[in-house]
Amino acid sequence: SQQGEEDPQALSIQEGENATMNCSYKTSINNLQWYRQNSGRGLVHLILIRSNEREKHSGRLRVTLDTSKKSSSLLITASRAADTASYFCATVRVLTQGGSEKLVFGKGTKLTVNP
Amino acid sequence: DAGVIQSPRHEVTEMGQEVTLRCKPISGHDYLFWYRQTMMRGLELLIYFNNNVPIDDSGMPEDRFSAKMPNASFSTLKIQPSEPRDSAVYFCASSFFRNTGELFFGEGSRLTVL
Repeated sequence: SQQGEEDPQALSIQEGENATMNCSYKTSINNLQWYRQNSGRGLVHLILIRSNEREKHSGRLRVTLDTSKKSSSLLITASRAADTASYFCATVRVLTQGGSEKLVFGKGTKLTVNP
Repeated sequence: DAGVIQSPRHEVTEMGQEVTLRCKPISGHDYLFWYRQTMMRGLELLIYFNNNVPIDDSGMPEDRFSAKMPNASFSTLKIQPSEPRDSAVYFCASSFFRNTGELFFGEGSRLTVL
């Protein structure tokens, strides 16, 4: 199963509203990252939050991390139609016994911002 | 920098044919990753390289898949023979300094196997 599970799977809002997406994970992490993917394009890194950080901002983005609940949230304030995309969280995980650490992605939240 | 460059962007082939996907990472990046994205399974890590050396290929689905990185500026992912279930978008990504930091993705190669 995926290390990070985003919630909700899909979200539809009006332009100007805030959008909140959540990510839950199962094991301890070193860092958690959020990526955006526009339809038909590659993923673009948005923000990285380390396990000893609780909150981070980047422009209209705000990410929180609660390691006690093993969860993170991504808030996009004052959303725009251009924010329409899928958003993924990614966490570091060792997938196989004796394997190496690697970045594992959730299945994403599909955000639609209606003009 | 032009970013991570992948080719071809789209490939349609028939079952049994050999498929080769190509990737040029960002200059100076130490790590290169191949991911596969499908609706059912999401984004899966297939293999990653550090300084041109394969580090972990445990995500490669079977022997039909192989990946090489002959030099710091080029990598290939080969599927031989291809099957319809290999249809997916294949992404190459690179990163600097560590395998768990920020990844820079290419635009992907959409593969359809008929």
